[in-house]
Order: sequence, then structure tokens, then C-alpha cells
Amino acid sequence: KAGVTQTPRYLIKTRGQQVTLSCSPISGHRSVSWYQQTPGQGLQFLFEYFSETQRNKGNFPGRFSGRQFSNSRSEMNVSTLELGDSALYLCASSLAGRATGYGYTFGSGTRLTVV
Amino acid sequence: DAKTTQPPSMDCAEGRAANLPCNHSTISGNEYVYWYRQIHSQGPQYIIHGLKNNETNEMASLIITEDRKSSTLILPHATLRDTAVYYCIVKTGANSKLTFGKGITLSVRP
Repeated sequence: KAGVTQTPRYLIKTRGQQVTLSCSPISGHRSVSWYQQTPGQGLQFLFEYFSETQRNKGNFPGRFSGRQFSNSRSEMNVSTLELGDSALYLCASSLAGRATGYGYTFGSGTRLTVV
Repeated sequence: DAKTTQPPSMDCAEGRAANLPCNHSTISGNEYVYWYRQIHSQGPQYIIHGLKNNETNEMASLIITEDRKSSTLILPHATLRDTAVYYCIVKTGANSKLTFGKGITLSVRP
């Protein structure tokens, strides 16, 4: 079956711009989580959506937002981009997310570079 | 969620077993131990998880001590493709996020 698909794979944006990243989960998976990975901070949780509702949120400024659609596809948006937002953004999907016993399947990520 | 402690790196010879340790001395009764790995520039990959019994799947075995304060991930016959950063994570079902530490970098040498 198809894995988690993230688009685009690479993106270059200018400071001050905004960006939207997309994630299509594995078919049947209702939970989608987003993570940011940087060399300095490692992998950090951004937020998680389940059935179109944000269920958990990490410690990121309000410039980072997301949403989930009825087909479980998710988007995240970063407004007023800063140089420090340059990172690999990873999406993970799970059957239930919160319940133990289910692993998360990650996509290959979107590499965002802010110049 | 309880914190985990892993050594920063280790290596092993190809074909030999790789035993990756993890300490989670503050783990609570309802927390599971998960292992993920990340090969360079790819998304993390789920390997295995367990509560208190030892677990085995096609990728690895997970040995959890009786007091649950530590665990070991075992790759029975390491290959060069197992070179990656391995993350040990403890998580309850009530919390949906994965809290990644720095992980342990496993280098498999020919």
C-alpha cells in the first residue's frame, strides 16, 4: 500500500513569505502529526490532527498552523518565514495516534530552506 | 512521558548482533517503549514497541527488564543498511506525540 506522501520534497522561500506543506496519510489512517527536524533541536513535535480536530500541539509560535481535511489529508502553514524555520518537516500518520499499540509511519519530509 | 537515556553512538561488525541499550528509569506503568530509527535524510521508521514482555518482529527484538527501567533493542544480524540513528521513546496512550531525544548512532562496519 502507498506510504505517507509529502509534497513538495524541496522548497526555497524568502524571509517574510508564507508556505504551505501537504501530507497525504496512509489510506485508513485518521491521525496525522507534524514534526520539525533541525540539526540544533532535533525532532520536535508541532501538532497532531485526528478527525479534522487538532488534538495536541507542541511548543511553537502561532506562525505555525495546520489543518486536516475530511479525507484525512493534512496541510501545515508557516507564515512570516524566518531563517530559523529552515528545516526538514516530517508528517506521520497512524491508525489511531493516541492509542498505544500503533506505530507511526513517517513520510520522507519536505526540506524547507528560507533565504 | 518518561525521559530516556541512550549512549551517543556505537558500532558493530556486519553480520553480528547489534544490542542497543536504553535507560528509562522513570517509566510509569502505562508507558510503552517504542523504537524508531532514522536513516540519513529519510523520515523515522517504526521498528518495534512493548510494554513489559519481550517482543520480536521481522526487524528486531525488544528486551525489557523486569523492573522496566531499561530495555535493549537487538538487531540479530546487522547489515550496512542498518546504519542509522535509533531512537528509544516511552509514551502513554493518552499522549499522541512522540518525544525524540538525540538517539544513538549505530555504525555497522564491513
